[in-house]
Amino acid sequence: GENVEQHPSTLSVQEGDSAVIKCTYSDSASNYFPWYKQELGKRPQLIIDIRSNVGEKKDQRIAVTLNKTAKHFSLHITETQPEDSAVYFCAASLGGSGTYKYIFGTGTRLKVLA
Amino acid sequence: EADIYQTPRYLVIGTGKKITLECSQTMGHDKMYWYQQDPGMELHLIHYSYGVNSTEKGDLSSESTVSRIRTEHFPLTLESARPSHTSQYLCASSRDGYPDTQYFGPGTRLTVL
Repeated sequence: GENVEQHPSTLSVQEGDSAVIKCTYSDSASNYFPWYKQELGKRPQLIIDIRSNVGEKKDQRIAVTLNKTAKHFSLHITETQPEDSAVYFCAASLGGSGTYKYIFGTGTRLKVLA
Repeated sequence: EADIYQTPRYLVIGTGKKITLECSQTMGHDKMYWYQQDPGMELHLIHYSYGVNSTEKGDLSSESTVSRIRTEHFPLTLESARPSHTSQYLCASSRDGYPDTQYFGPGTRLTVL
């Protein structure tokens, strides 16, 4: 079946450094890629997303890049702060079937050290 | 304010009991989803619905059932709870069309003793 691989599973960075999380998807028909942040005990919250016709999108300290040829997309967080500590999930839409379901990555636990 | 609501937020129940987890949304969305998630772990789709009277099983086999009689309401029922059902259950919804960004409810943390 289709899947999304997410790396790394855990990531520790010093406050102020950058963090990069990478995902690879298998469904060539995927055309929408959201990223969610889930703090401890909270619901997943959408932080940024990208459509398949765009290569890069930025929102303040957060950016997402998409390489459709390689089926890779990445989340970049610059100038990390302690409140960025959370689990981050990437997802890819399951296209081509008309179901518009997501396949989620396995999550990255980001810890920002003060 | 448009949101997704889940009740109860926490539930501790004994083996063999029947339970219903409630999910309602005021987002005006057509599509709704149920995910199962162990804390901090990946999300597994167990049910989804495109609209009233439309329900489908997800990728993770589940002994639960769902119904969609009203657009805004998507309850999940376990006929006989077991300890293996202990987990967090997240409800989500999205509009029809592209992109169909999914928005999540706060979740129900279920413990079956």
